[in-house]
Amino acid sequence: EAQVTQNPRYLITVTGKKLTVTCSQNMNHEYMSWYRQDPGLGLRQIYYSMNVEVTDKGDVPEGYKVSRKEKRNFPLILESPSPNQTSLYFCASRFLGDLNSPLHFGNGTRLTVT
Amino acid sequence: AQTVTQSQPEMSVQEAETVTLSCTYDTSESDYYLFWYKQPPSRQMILVIRQEAYKQQNATENRFSVNFQKAAKSFSLKISDSQLGDAAMYFCAYRSAGETSGSRLTFGEGTQLTVNP
Repeated sequence: EAQVTQNPRYLITVTGKKLTVTCSQNMNHEYMSWYRQDPGLGLRQIYYSMNVEVTDKGDVPEGYKVSRKEKRNFPLILESPSPNQTSLYFCASRFLGDLNSPLHFGNGTRLTVT
Repeated sequence: AQTVTQSQPEMSVQEAETVTLSCTYDTSESDYYLFWYKQPPSRQMILVIRQEAYKQQNATENRFSVNFQKAAKSFSLKISDSQLGDAAMYFCAYRSAGETSGSRLTFGEGTQLTVNP
């Protein structure tokens, strides 16, 4: 089954403790991206990647890092989480060879930073 | 930069009735895509319907249809014969058609739809 898999689904941590949210897709998509969702703000893009070893900042990149060492994986790293990073996070991927191809989303990771 | 605005934070509808969710956007581009996503309590992001800006005909998917007014930069979603399973947060989203910048979705704030039995 074609899917984007995020882990964990829920995560509670404390300020300053490094964490990684994993994202993997099995559709051989070139494009992968991370969004955060906050009430009243919709979803905002954090980082994106057009292919292996190619990453770029989205609208709200501060406090986050990403890497794209393999095509299928695009982890989101919070080196020193802070309470304002408490949010719902989505990973998404898309096939770039077809302009009509949709964005496929993972099931989200609810992060709480205390 | 493109912006998407959903001016209705909450809407409610009676089961079997029709409801329209509003969305406006701002762009200087002529070619782009517009989307409506549904997010039920499971948090899954489900694509409901999409519209290519170069197509004048409004998209339809079963009970879901859009009213796309390109000059007015308006993209509303109509849900006919509302069902309890339609209750969800609905997001309007914009995507540029250009390939280098054409993968990012710009989302609106969302509209929480309640369906009353």
